[in-house]
Amino acid sequence: GAVVSQHPSWVICKSGTSVKIECRSLDFQATTMFWYRQFPKQSLMLMATSNEGSKATYEQGVEKDKFLINHASLTLSTLTVTSAHPEDSSFYICSASDARAGSYEQYFGPGTRLTVT
Amino acid sequence: GQQLNQSPQSMFIQEGEDVSMNCTSSSIFNTWLWYKQEPGEGPVLLIALYKAGELTSNGRLTAQFGITRKDSFLNISASIPSDVGIYFCAGTGGSEKLVFGKGTKLTVNP
Repeated sequence: GAVVSQHPSWVICKSGTSVKIECRSLDFQATTMFWYRQFPKQSLMLMATSNEGSKATYEQGVEKDKFLINHASLTLSTLTVTSAHPEDSSFYICSASDARAGSYEQYFGPGTRLTVT
Repeated sequence: GQQLNQSPQSMFIQEGEDVSMNCTSSSIFNTWLWYKQEPGEGPVLLIALYKAGELTSNGRLTAQFGITRKDSFLNISASIPSDVGIYFCAGTGGSEKLVFGKGTKLTVNP
């Protein structure tokens, strides 16, 4: 149980274009989804927290107009990197949790490797 | 903000050896989680701890929630080559947001 998928697993895009990454909880309903960014050999950096049906809460320093997050259902959240630039190249990972279960466990997707050329 | 100190940063061990790593927090936590991440993958939840003093096992892995609620450790017994990866501790004092340690990179020599 507690399986989270991400699509695509990797993407290469040109500078200035937008990229959408999907995060799905496959066997549970996720009241909350989180988006992280991970640089090589570093820990996970939380970008934003999204609750189903409401606006995402962004961490300090994360541009909400650049990283658009939508959490339209209890099983799907999307992250759109708008007007991507090479510095946006990174490993993006989502996680999902069900607050109704009364735990803080987060289940992670396999990640999406974004390369902006 | 909250910070987690995870140590050691890296470990190089021989197959069959036991491993121990730990995390300390600057504040009290009510949940400790241990994850393993392999290259190019997302972290996988290994063990979740919810009560001070709790000792929980998952196969060869054992983790404990420290009595002070500010620390936790993870032990791996009789390590095998597939144990290689980066182990992260994470915790929260009640917020849905987790604080992560910087990870312990484990290398197991056959």
